[in-house]
Amino acid sequence: SQQGEEDPQALSIQEGENATMNCSYKTSINNLQWYRQNSGRGLVHLILIRSNEREKHSGRLRVTLDTSKKSSSLLITASRAADTASYFCARRPISNFGNEKLTFGTGTRLTIIP
Amino acid sequence: DTGVSQDPRHKITKRGQNVTFRCDPISEHNRLYWYRQTLGQGPEFLTYFQNEAQLEKSRLLSDRFSAERPKGSFSTLEIQRTEQGDSAMYLCASSLWGKGGNQPQHFGDGTRLSIL
Repeated sequence: SQQGEEDPQALSIQEGENATMNCSYKTSINNLQWYRQNSGRGLVHLILIRSNEREKHSGRLRVTLDTSKKSSSLLITASRAADTASYFCARRPISNFGNEKLTFGTGTRLTIIP
Repeated sequence: DTGVSQDPRHKITKRGQNVTFRCDPISEHNRLYWYRQTLGQGPEFLTYFQNEAQLEKSRLLSDRFSAERPKGSFSTLEIQRTEQGDSAMYLCASSLWGKGGNQPQHFGDGTRLSIL
């Protein structure tokens, strides 16, 4: 079963606006990763944030992590039509066995309106 | 770095047939993962390899499923006696483990399986 959820499930905004997606999870994590998936394609890695980090930036992307609330958010600033995609957060749980398998939520479907 | 390659991109088959998918990871990556994604859902972990050793299998992976990575490079995922419920996108990912941890997984474009 998939642990945690992205919120909202779907988001439509005008081009140029900012988009914020949230991710909640249930079990302790080693790291949390955000991925983008265009329709019919594989997942593209965006940002990895470690459990001891609170914020990371990459270009127009900003990710925050609050381990006390077991939540993360992805902010995309100055959105573009090309940002239209599904966005997933993936949790890597703490493990003594080195398994890096990821647990994904159901994703946020982002639509940028030109 | 040519990325993770999966073949075929699409497979349509009749129920009861066997199918095999191939994944070529990024060449220096020692870990290889298989995930399954159904419509409207996120990927779900199936199994993973470190080099040629299969280290974990999900309970989702019934005995009709088998995965191999014989030389620690490419991997195959075979589904025997396919069922309607096997229709999904099968995603392969690879990563480099042992270089300080916290390495991202790089995904291929997947193989979309449709069972008639």
